[in-house]
Parts: sequence; structure tokens; C-alpha cells
Amino acid sequence: GDSVTQMEGPVTLSEEAFLTINCTYTATGYPSLFWYVQYPGEGLQLLLKATKADDKGSNKGFEATYRKETTSFHLEKGSVQVSDSAVYFCALSAYGNKLVFGAGTILRVKS
Amino acid sequence: EAGVVQSPRYKIIEKKQPVAFWCNPISGHNTLYWYLQNLGQGPELLIRYENEEAVDDSQLPKDRFSAERLKGVDSTLKIQPAELGDSAVYLCASSYLSWDSSYNEQFFGPGTRLTVL
Repeated sequence: GDSVTQMEGPVTLSEEAFLTINCTYTATGYPSLFWYVQYPGEGLQLLLKATKADDKGSNKGFEATYRKETTSFHLEKGSVQVSDSAVYFCALSAYGNKLVFGAGTILRVKS
Repeated sequence: EAGVVQSPRYKIIEKKQPVAFWCNPISGHNTLYWYLQNLGQGPELLIRYENEEAVDDSQLPKDRFSAERLKGVDSTLKIQPAELGDSAVYLCASSYLSWDSSYNEQFFGPGTRLTVL
């Protein structure tokens, strides 16, 4: 079945450091790919998405490119802030609007 | 605009007791989802409604879990009887499903954290 694998955390960075969170997927067909973020005490929020190969999703300084050849959708940000501390989930939707999530990666940014 | 509302936010019960969670989706959203999120894991879909109809309940443990969405708006998820392994966060999400779109963004509520003792 469809699945998502993302790098284990927690990831601890200093403010202004470069961030990469790896995500790879297995799916039949051509899924849409997403990154969701969960801030402490809040619900999941869509951070960015890409619906076809080579698409780049971007939002709030975060970017991810849909790589069909490597079945990857790595999340990057050039300079993280303390306010980026959260749990990040990679997810796919192959059909029927059903989301399949990875296990989540905790990001901690120190000032 | 109000987001997805869930209540209660926290619930502590003893095993074998019943428990119910309530969700009010975003106004106008015709699709509602219940997810289960175990500690350290991503959410997993339990059931999806389109209006009043449950269109995907394949992951719902039907021996003890039930759900309803009367009038196609609010929804209730029930567990009876609860087991220790049911301790988790129960998330509700909603979206507006349009047939001319490949994906319709899901908006999540804050969840209900259930602890079964």
C-alpha cells in the first residue's frame, strides 16, 4: 500500500541554520504530496503542496520539490527561526482525497 | 472564519467505559474525516464522510468504534468499551470536495487527547 517515510527526529538547529527534512514515498499512480506542520497545542496546518512531478511547493520560506525519479519530497528552509519549532509531517494523497502521513519529525530551533 | 471545532480537548476515562468525541466542521464543508494519531506517529484515517454518507470506513474498528454525521454537519465518534490501547489523539478534519479538483485541502481541528486508565 501507499506509505511515507520521513527522517527521524528530533532535529535540533540553531537560529538561521539551514533545514532539510527528508521524505520519501511509495505509491501507485501519481500522488499529490504535502507537508503539514503542527505547532504546540494546535491542529495540523497545510504548509505546502505539489500535485505533479517537478512541481515546487513553497510557503513561509519553506520549499519542497516533487521528485518522481527519486520518489522524494524533501522539505528545506534557508534560515530557520525559533518560531519554526514544531512537528512536520510529510503526506501523500493518491486517490479519494485520502491522506497518508509519515511519522512526523520534531524540529527544535534554539536562539 | 471559525476553524474545525472539537470537544472535549482532553478526556480521561477508565478502561471499559464509553467515550464520545464531537466535531463541528468548517461551515460549508461537505466532507468530514476522523483520524487517529498515536504518540510519535502520523495521523491515520478512521472514517471519511461525504455529506451524511460514510464513504470510507475500512480502517474503523467496528466492534467498538462507531461514528455518525447526522444532517451532514456535526459528527460524533464513539468508543464503547474503551481499551488501554485506545489512548491517543483523535483528530477531525473537513474539506470542500469539488469534483473538478484533484485535491481538496483538509483543515484540521486541535484534536481530543484520550487517556484510558
